[in-house]
Amino acid sequence: DGGITQSPKYLFRKEGQNVTLSCEQNLNHDAMYWYRQDPGQGLRLIYYSQIVNDFQKGDIAEGYSVSREKKESFPLTVTSAQKNPTAFYLCASSSRESPYEQYFGPGTRLTVT
Amino acid sequence: AQKITQTQPGMFVQEKEAVTLDCTYDTSDPSYGLFWYKQPSSGEMIFLIYQGSYDQQNATEGRYSLNFQKARKSANLVISASQLGDSAMYFCAMRETGNTPLVFGKGTRLSVIA
Repeated sequence: DGGITQSPKYLFRKEGQNVTLSCEQNLNHDAMYWYRQDPGQGLRLIYYSQIVNDFQKGDIAEGYSVSREKKESFPLTVTSAQKNPTAFYLCASSSRESPYEQYFGPGTRLTVT
Repeated sequence: AQKITQTQPGMFVQEKEAVTLDCTYDTSDPSYGLFWYKQPSSGEMIFLIYQGSYDQQNATEGRYSLNFQKARKSANLVISASQLGDSAMYFCAMRETGNTPLVFGKGTRLSVIA
């Protein structure tokens, strides 16, 4: 089955630790995105990548880092510099050929204490 | 800059009735796409419907239809014959030309009452 996988579904970390969230897609999509969602809020863009080895900051990139070494993979690292990392993180992907589609992964709920 | 506004934080609808969720947008790009997603309590984002800025007709997908009023920059979602399973958060989003990121509104929480 084609789709986007994110792991793990729930993640717990202590304050001050970096943590990496996984996002993998087998849809052969060019572009991948990371969004953050806080309770009762909409989705805010953290980073996106339209091509391998290239990525751009979104609206709330501070305290986060990404890499895009492979087309299928777009991991997000939440660093200790991120002041309020507890949130729901959603990864998405889309294709240049089908701009009317954007698929999402199931999300990772990160709790930092 | 793009902007999506959803003015209804919460809505209630009786089962089997129709409901309209409002969305207005702002863009200077003549080419754009409008999306609606459903997010149940599980958190997954479920794509519902898409409308392109050059589409002549309003989009429909089963019980979902998009009331697209280009001059008013409005893209309201209409759900007909509401079901209990329709209770969820609903997000309106927009993408401008190209494979660019979606920009989301803050969402509307729909509650369907039996």
